[in-house]
Amino acid sequence: NAGVTQTPKFQVLKTGQSMTLQCAQDMNHEYMSWYRQDPGMGLRLIHYSVGAGITDQGEVPNGYNVSRSTTEDFPLRLLSAAPSQTSVYFCASSYSWEMNTEAFFGQGTRLTVV
Amino acid sequence: AQKITQTQPGMFVQEKEAVTLDCTYDTSDQSYGLFWYKQPSSGEMIFLIYQGSYDEQNATEGRYSLNFQKARKSANLVISASQLGDSAMYFCAMNGGGADGLTFGKGTHLIIQP
Repeated sequence: NAGVTQTPKFQVLKTGQSMTLQCAQDMNHEYMSWYRQDPGMGLRLIHYSVGAGITDQGEVPNGYNVSRSTTEDFPLRLLSAAPSQTSVYFCASSYSWEMNTEAFFGQGTRLTVV
Repeated sequence: AQKITQTQPGMFVQEKEAVTLDCTYDTSDQSYGLFWYKQPSSGEMIFLIYQGSYDEQNATEGRYSLNFQKARKSANLVISASQLGDSAMYFCAMNGGGADGLTFGKGTHLIIQP
């Protein structure tokens, strides 16, 4: 019973490098989202998707790109890493975007940009 | 826009005592959902409890209850008979009528002392 799987768990990048954080869910959830967690800031929404082929920006989308080619996968791409993107990243999925739907979170990816 | 305020950055509580974690919110949505998540030191986000804005009864899940006061825009989490394993960060979150994910508070760091 995997739920939401994120890879990698830890990553160190140099400034300017690009990389993709992977997220996969096996619950057939339509809604998927990416958050970043910074100390003292709570979690903030980066991008979200209400279904395959549909994505939209959240509160802090700059420097990140997403796509949703399948229901299961929702990768997050860092185009040119910056130290300000050092954070813990969480992928989440839920049955729908409606307000009474619990979000299931992955284990998180701790990213450091040097 | 939605906003969640958690005014207690940290709390120390004796084991077996009841704990109340404060959460106030602000939204212009008529319909919304309120959530509490627990984040232990291992980092994962664990769903605890949900309250819908039109629910007349306060939500309960085992030792967790949500004290929902709509007129005051508060959604406090109550943990009865605290245990050492309750030590963690606790986040209050909400979503509204749109698909733009959850809005989180900054969290409360709860430490249960023996």
